Parts: sequence; C-alpha cells; structure tokens
Amino acid sequence: EAGVAQSPRYKIIEKRQSVAFWCNPISGHATLYWYQQILGQGPKLLIQFQNNGVVDDSQLPKDRFSAERLKGVDSTLKIQPAKLEDSAVYLCASSLWGVLPGANVLTFGAGSRLTVL
Amino acid sequence: EDKVVQSPLSLVVHEGDTVTLNCSYEVTNFRSLLWYKQEKKAPTFLFMLTSSGIEKKSGRLSSILDKKELFSILNITATQTGDSAVYLCALANQAGTALIFGKGTTLSVSS
Repeated sequence: EAGVAQSPRYKIIEKRQSVAFWCNPISGHATLYWYQQILGQGPKLLIQFQNNGVVDDSQLPKDRFSAERLKGVDSTLKIQPAKLEDSAVYLCASSLWGVLPGANVLTFGAGSRLTVL
Repeated sequence: EDKVVQSPLSLVVHEGDTVTLNCSYEVTNFRSLLWYKQEKKAPTFLFMLTSSGIEKKSGRLSSILDKKELFSILNITATQTGDSAVYLCALANQAGTALIFGKGTTLSVSS
C-alpha cells in the first residue's frame, strides 16, 4: 500500500513569512495527525483529526498555526507568520480509527523540514 | 500529566555489542506502549506492547513491558551499523488518542 505522502520535503523561509505543508494519509485511515519534531526532541502533537473533525488541537499555537482537513482525506498545515523557533520537522501520520489496539499504531510520512532564518 | 522518559539519551557501541534502551512512563490510563525506529526519515514502527502482550521479539530486537514498575526495555543483540538510529518510545493512554513520545535514544553503532 502507498505510504503517507508529505510535501514539500524541505522549506527555508525568513521569519514572519508564511509556509504551508501538505499531507495525504494512507487510504482508509480515518485519523490524521500533525506532529512537530524539534532537533533532539521527540515528536509533539500539534493537531489530530478524525475524518474532517478536530479531535485534539490543545497544543496548536493558534495565533500562528492553522490546519484543515476539509474532505476528510488530505490535510494542510499552515504557519503564518513564522518564528525562528518554528524550525523543526513537521511529521504527518495516519491511523485506523477504532477501539482495537492496532488503531494506536501510527504510520508516519517522511516529514517536512522547515528552517526559519 | 502523562509522560514518557527515555534513557540514555545517546549511546555509542561497537558492532556486535548488545544494547538495552530504557523507557519509563507515567500514565493515568494505560492502553499500549510502542517503539519506533527513526533514521533520516519517518519513524517506522517496531513493536506494540499491551496488557495482553508484554513481550515481543523480531530477529535481533526484543522488548518487554513491566506494567507494575511502569517501564519498558528494548534490546538489540549483535548490533550492526544499520541499527544506528533514534529509537522512540511512545505511550497510548486510551483508544483514539494521539501517541505521547519520549525524547528518544540516539544509538550509534561503529564498525
């Protein structure tokens, strides 16, 4: 099966500019996640979608970050305006939905590496 | 607050050595604990441990879960240079919620 697709792989911008990342999950995966991974840290959840609804966005800096999954399939994460501390890898992941343990197994995309100068 | 603590943060070994990576956690409602391997790209899934499956093994890798003492270990025997990566431990605290990750252990295997 095709994996989780993300683009772009790399992006360099100056602070106060805007950037958008795109993610297409595995077909049939109802749940989609955006994680931020700063160098030397583990991934930190930004937002979780179930189909096109938001399940958890408690750690999303809503003054500058936004995300949408309008048709319940692919998703876009936007940062505007970017700050230096936003330099990180943005990982998209997807999983099945349900109560079985397998629903907790996330499949990750290759990530989008953002450098803010 | 649920959390995951991994140790050591980094480790350098020689090819052929055996290594043990540690993961301790605090959780209000345990569902499962997962191990991922992250090389240059995406984290890839290794194991999931649950209350009904506290030991897993795949080739040279194995993992156990101690629900009483709230920790897990990942063992790698006869290490190879291809084992060099960041190993992430993650916690699932209930169905349908996102994983909580530790900071990871960076393993470097020299030839």
